[in-house]
Amino acid sequence: EVQLVQSGAEVKKPGESLKISCKGSGYSFSSYWIGWVRQMPGKGLEWMGIINPGDSDTRYSPSFQGQVTISADKSISTAYLQWSSLKASDTAMYYCARLRSSSGYYGSLAYWGQGTLVTVSS
Amino acid sequence: SYVLTQPPSVSVAPGQTARITCGGNNIGSKSVHWYQQKPGQAPVLVVYDDSDRPSGIPERFSGSNSGNTATLTISRVEVGDEADYYCQVWDSSSDHLFGGGTKLTVL
Repeated sequence: EVQLVQSGAEVKKPGESLKISCKGSGYSFSSYWIGWVRQMPGKGLEWMGIINPGDSDTRYSPSFQGQVTISADKSISTAYLQWSSLKASDTAMYYCARLRSSSGYYGSLAYWGQGTLVTVSS
Repeated sequence: SYVLTQPPSVSVAPGQTARITCGGNNIGSKSVHWYQQKPGQAPVLVVYDDSDRPSGIPERFSGSNSGNTATLTISRVEVGDEADYYCQVWDSSSDHLFGGGTKLTVL
C-alpha cells in the first residue's frame, strides 16, 4: 500500500526556520516525483513545486521560487519542504503528494500525505 | 500564464446530476485531473486524464474535456459527495496548476 506520512503540526515565530517532512512507503520512492501543495486557511490548493527523489531534480512554481526549498533523501524515502525565515503569511496546511505515473514530472497526484499544519505567530 | 476558472459553488438535490466546470484557453488540448476534498481531509483524486477513474472511485464520477471547458459529472449525487472539487492541469508556462475550487452543496 502506497503511503505518504507527513511530520506533525508546527507552531513557529516569524523569522524562525522550519523543515517539514514527507516519508513514502509501499513503492519505489526514487521512481516517482513528489509535489508540495499549500492550502491557506479557508482557501484553495496552490502548487508549490515538485522533486524527483531519484536525482533531486526540482521545479518550483514561480510564486514560491526563492521562498522555500524542496529536497529529498532517497536513502530514507523522505522529501522535505523548508523555510529559512518564516512569515505570518506562511500559516497554512501543507500537503505532499505523489504523481500517479512514473513517466514524468507532470500528471495527476494519486497519493497524498495527511498534511502538516504550520502556524506562524508572534 | 495559464488560468483555470471554476464556479465557486454548485448546488444539487440528492439523486440528481451535478456538473462542475473548469474553464481554460484550449483546455481540451490538455489532460485534466479532478480532486475531491472534504472538510479536514486531504484531497482525493477522483478523475485523471480527463475521464479515467482511479480504482475505488464510484462510476458515478465521470469527466469530459473539449474546447475551452472540462467538466466533472457526478451522477446520482449523494449527501456524502458534498465537498470542494478542484481541477488541475499541467501547462508549459505555468507548470502544475489548480483551479480555484468549487463547493458542491447537496441540498
